[in-house]
Amino acid sequence: GDSVTQMEGPVTLSEEAFLTINCTYTATGYPSLFWYVQYPGEGLQLLLKATKADDKGSNKGFEATYRKETTSFHLEKGSVQVSDSAVYFCALSDRGGNTDKLIFGTGTRLQVFP
Amino acid sequence: DADVTQTPRNRITKTGKRIMLECSQTKGHDRMYWYRQDPGLGLRLIYYSFDVKDINKGEISDGYSVSRQAQAKFSLSLESAIPNQTALYFCATSDTTGTGLAGELFFGEGSRLTVL
Repeated sequence: GDSVTQMEGPVTLSEEAFLTINCTYTATGYPSLFWYVQYPGEGLQLLLKATKADDKGSNKGFEATYRKETTSFHLEKGSVQVSDSAVYFCALSDRGGNTDKLIFGTGTRLQVFP
Repeated sequence: DADVTQTPRNRITKTGKRIMLECSQTKGHDRMYWYRQDPGLGLRLIYYSFDVKDINKGEISDGYSVSRQAQAKFSLSLESAIPNQTALYFCATSDTTGTGLAGELFFGEGSRLTVL
């Protein structure tokens, strides 16, 4: 079945460092891909999405490019801040983005220190 | 006030007790979901509902039941709680009728349940 694999955390960075969180997927067809973020004590919220190959999702300085050839959707940010400390979840759905078919990865915790 | 509200936020109970987690939303969304979050396992779908008369099992529905009392209310019950149901539970909503982004879920703040 469809699945999402994320790098294990925690990822620990100093402020202003470059961030990459790896995500690869296995899916039939052409899924939609998402990154959700969970700040401490809160529920998840959508960070960005991409619905077809070579699409780039971006939000709040974060970017991820849908790479069909490598089945990847890595999350990047050029300069992280302490306020970016959170757990990041990669997820996939079917091409229509149906929310009842969202499959989440296990999450990667990011800790940013001043 | 939060758009998706869960009660209680924290609950400690004993094995065999009946527990209900409640969720209400003011977003006007038609779809509602219950997820469970465990360390190292991410989020797993327990039940979801497309409207008041449409309830569907998710990946891990055994040991749980749900009730959609109204469009805005969706409760999760554990009839006889067991320790491996200790987890963080999230309610979520999504919009399929308006301008909501496909694939976007709106989550509550979570209900932490501990079963002793």
